[in-house]
Formats: sequence, structure tokens, C-alpha cells
Amino acid sequence: SYELTQPPSVSVSPGQTASITCSGDKLGDKYASWYQQKPGQSPVLVIYEDSKRPSGIPERFSGSNSGNTATLTISGTQAVDEADYYCQAWDSGTVVFGGGTKLTVL
Amino acid sequence: EVQLLESGGDLVQPGGSLRLSCAASGFTFSSYAMNWVRQGPGKGLEWVSGISDSGSGGSTYYADSVKGRFTLSRDNSKNTLYLQMNSLRAEDTAVYYCAKRDNINAFDIWGQGTMVTVSS
Repeated sequence: SYELTQPPSVSVSPGQTASITCSGDKLGDKYASWYQQKPGQSPVLVIYEDSKRPSGIPERFSGSNSGNTATLTISGTQAVDEADYYCQAWDSGTVVFGGGTKLTVL
Repeated sequence: EVQLLESGGDLVQPGGSLRLSCAASGFTFSSYAMNWVRQGPGKGLEWVSGISDSGSGGSTYYADSVKGRFTLSRDNSKNTLYLQMNSLRAEDTAVYYCAKRDNINAFDIWGQGTMVTVSS
């Protein structure tokens, strides 16, 4: 079965750039999406189709996808961005999520 | 306002059954694929099942972990998604989220979740 691999944790200082990776076999041939989840809340879509932002998502969130790796980039990271982030892709009609990355802003 | 409201979560014994519901509002329910995603205590997101929009035939898809035990259906007249869960196991314990798949290959709307606990 298809798998997506994320680092368990990423740390970043306020105002700096955070990058969270998501690896999977030929992931660049699929669309990758990213979700933000804060404690006790439902997930929120922050990036879809590799690099597009839904309305209401700040411009500091961006994405890319090539080869075997998709990347979520948060520029000028703020304290409110501290959360768990999950990548997601489709494979043969089913949905695959990465294991999640806890972003700490310190 | 686009909204998804799950219900039906409960404490159930191993081997038991439960039916979850997801009531949709604020959009044309029949035109969109719908899915269930679960999250075990302290764990990540796990896709459970999905059903295509009515125009695509309402085909259903399941994760290997629930195939043969869970059944997904939709009632477009009631704008409601159902997940029938049989032969429940301890590892099915999780918050179950209903999620709408937009025409953007992603889940753009999520419900608040309903808790299922499988324990004796």
C-alpha cells in the first residue's frame, strides 16, 4: 500500500521560515494537500493541488511537489501556526495521509 | 453556511455495532463525494471510507483495515451520510470525522467529529 512519510517534529523561531516535507514514491505525479490541526480542533485545509491556497488561508502558507517529495512552507511563521500538519494524497481511489508533523514555534 | 454535523458516537463492546451519521447543510450534498476520516487517541489521521457523488454512481471505497466490517451509504433526500460499523474492535476507537471532498482533490470541509470507544 502507498505510504507518505513526514518528520515527527519541526521547530522554528518566530518570523523564520518553516519547511515540512512529505515523501512518497513518485508523489510528484499525484496531487498533494496539507491540513493544519490544532489541539481539540478539526483539521483545516491549508494547501490543495500541491500549491494552491483556499480562501482565508494566509499568504505565508505555500506548497510545492516534485519527484518524491511535497513540501509545505510557512514564511514568517507566527505563534498561531503552532499545530500538527498532515500531508495527503490519493492512490488508486483511496486516500493516504502522512503520519503528521508537530510544528513548534519557539 | 456550509456545515457537517456528525452524530452516533458511543461506547460499545468489542464485536458490537454502531451507525454514525453526518448531516450536511449549506451545499448541494448529492453533488459531492463524502468521506470518513478517523483519529485514534494521540494518533494521526486515518482515512476510513469514501463515497462518490451521485453523478458518479455513488461508488464506495474502504481502507483495508475496515473492509468487510464497515459500510458507507448516503441518503441524498436527507442530505445525510451514514457509516455502519460492525464487528468493532478496540483499534477502531477514535474520533470519526466526516469530510467533504471538493472538486479540488482535497477535503475542504470537516465536521467537528464524533467519538467512538470500543471497550468492555
